[in-house]
Amino acid sequence: FMLTQPHSVSESPGKTVTISCTGSSGNMANNYVQWYQVRPGSAPTTVIYEDNQRPSGVPDRFSGSVDSSSNSASLTISGLKTEDEAEYYCQSYRSGNPWVFGGGTKLTVL
Amino acid sequence: EVQLVQSGPEVRQPGESLKISCQGSGYSFSTNWIVWVRQMPGKGLEWIGIIFPGDSDTRYSPSFPGQVTISADKSINTAYLQWSSLEASDTAMYYCARSPFGSTADYWGQGTLVTVSS
Repeated sequence: FMLTQPHSVSESPGKTVTISCTGSSGNMANNYVQWYQVRPGSAPTTVIYEDNQRPSGVPDRFSGSVDSSSNSASLTISGLKTEDEAEYYCQSYRSGNPWVFGGGTKLTVL
Repeated sequence: EVQLVQSGPEVRQPGESLKISCQGSGYSFSTNWIVWVRQMPGKGLEWIGIIFPGDSDTRYSPSFPGQVTISADKSINTAYLQWSSLEASDTAMYYCARSPFGSTADYWGQGTLVTVSS
């Protein structure tokens, strides 16, 4: 089981960007998807858990969703800020199996 | 406040052993899983394994067969990741994170940089 993300995306400040995460098999909707932000030189932080839940402190500009028809999950960031520039990783877990991370998407805000 | 504090950077030679730590505070350490994640230079996140400190139930990724050992001492709220014989390819940043249900990470440590070089 693999998760595929675009290598990079870029968008201007104030705009909205969506990062996709596509599962190689099975049904993404059957297992929760998480999203982690990794800024350069910093440890990961969780921005979305259980498909669409935001941890406290994460602005509501961040949202997550899952689309069964395309077997994919998405992270959407609206009102982009330069501080959102980072790598974003999706992650999923199937009971009894290792966690799977996507390859990461580098978001450039320019 | 939930915090995970990891031990400092390490430099070792190939063949040496190493044990790095991750101390949790601000929550019930025994009843939350601790996960270990590797990030090699310029690469993505990789899941190494996970431990439940309450009973030391441990699972490993098949991508790390026998290369590392995960342990925990719940009496001092600390989890460990150790190597018996390091290789240059073990050079990476290692993160621990809390995982309340074993399926997702919510709080992360600051990372421990391990450099293996002769």
